Amino acid sequence: QQQVKQSPQSLIVQKGGISIINCAYENTAFDYFPWYQQFPGKGPALLIAIRPDVSEKKEGRFTISFNKSAKQFSLHIMDSQPGDSATYFCAARTSGTYKYIFGTGTRLKVLA
Amino acid sequence: GAGVSQTPSNKVTEKGKYVELRCDPISGHTALYWYRQSLGQGPEFLIYFQGTGAADDSGLPNDRFFAVRPEGSVSTLKIQRTERGDSAVYLCASSLGAGGSNTGELFFGEGSRLTVL
Repeated sequence: QQQVKQSPQSLIVQKGGISIINCAYENTAFDYFPWYQQFPGKGPALLIAIRPDVSEKKEGRFTISFNKSAKQFSLHIMDSQPGDSATYFCAARTSGTYKYIFGTGTRLKVLA
Repeated sequence: GAGVSQTPSNKVTEKGKYVELRCDPISGHTALYWYRQSLGQGPEFLIYFQGTGAADDSGLPNDRFFAVRPEGSVSTLKIQRTERGDSAVYLCASSLGAGGSNTGELFFGEGSRLTVL
């Protein structure tokens, strides 16, 4: 399968700090890039998403930065809170389909 | 129901047995997906349906895995001659499907945890 490479594997951040998770892809046929949040025992839930014609999208404390030429995108969580502690997955959708490929995940822990 | 429903939530079986996992998508969602998630990994694409037909089954690992969606709603993932390596959480998701400005956001169920002894 086409890959989406995600880093870091795990992240520990102090309350109020900024959490940054990075993803890189190779397939230029990807046309939509969502981030999903998953709590233990639950399915992933959509957090925020971006299309490649936009370089940044912000929703509350969550921002996606997108670099089309570098084929990289990142999730920034501002003012991180203990309730943000979860596993985060980036994903990419193949153009013309609804097939999503997921990254390997980042386990975030925000210390109180 | 309001969300994607998956049954059973847990299934323990013995190597070589046959298993069926069921997914009931959100009402009105035309697209349905199956993903497999191993411990500490991201969801791995298996198959997705648009209506009754499999639009893409390229992720099914081998011919022991099969999925159906006969009436375009409920789907069943079938695994024959289970192996220990099949142990994982099997996630189902649904979306509104193709067309217009719809982004095809995936709505996931809580998964069926399969353990093959």
